[in-house]
Amino acid sequence: AAGVIQSPRHLIKEKRETATLKCYPIPRHDTVYWYQQGPGQDPQFLISFYEKMQSDKGSIPDRFSAQQFSDYHSELNMSSLELGDSALYFCASSFGRIRTDTQYFGPGTRLTVL
Amino acid sequence: QKEVEQNSGPLSVPEGAIASLNCTYSDRGSQSFFWYRQYSGKSPELIMFIYSNGDKEDGRFTAQLNKASQYVSLLIRDSQPSDSATYLCAVIKAGGTSYGKLTFGQGTILTVHP
Repeated sequence: AAGVIQSPRHLIKEKRETATLKCYPIPRHDTVYWYQQGPGQDPQFLISFYEKMQSDKGSIPDRFSAQQFSDYHSELNMSSLELGDSALYFCASSFGRIRTDTQYFGPGTRLTVL
Repeated sequence: QKEVEQNSGPLSVPEGAIASLNCTYSDRGSQSFFWYRQYSGKSPELIMFIYSNGDKEDGRFTAQLNKASQYVSLLIRDSQPSDSATYLCAVIKAGGTSYGKLTFGQGTILTVHP
């Protein structure tokens, strides 16, 4: 079965640079969630989209922005990168008509900021 | 206090034994409960979900939910070394401004030794 696709899988950036992470949800899934997981920590919710509209916002820095496109893929844009942004970034998707539907996670993007 | 609490462990059980993982949550508005397994550096993998009070069994896994006590657990029967991982409890509070974001516990590290 098709899974969530994330790209790139690994990304190395310098401080103050920008980064763009991409997420392609499972086919027919219309809801995308972004999570950040620092070393030794649990995943923290950043932002979500349902039917191309932002549906919820968590602890996402103002330096980050995201959107969902007409084909339901999503991009997380990160600017003025800081050392503390180094983390695993997961995208998850669900068929979101029922808010409590199960979320399936992509393999993640490991971002390292030097 | 975290909204979702788990014993961080590590929990060590011998191969073939039953592993019992526990989770409590603080928000009575929580409606959906999930157990994810996460290997180091990998993405969370859905193990079980439960919405109603009682037990739900799937193969070697049983999830138990008690909403009155705000408690959810995961039992793993016939534990195998391949079950060694971090187990994340997650909840969704549906309704209001929440559109299905997962709130995770800090995870319990399980080690199954031969």
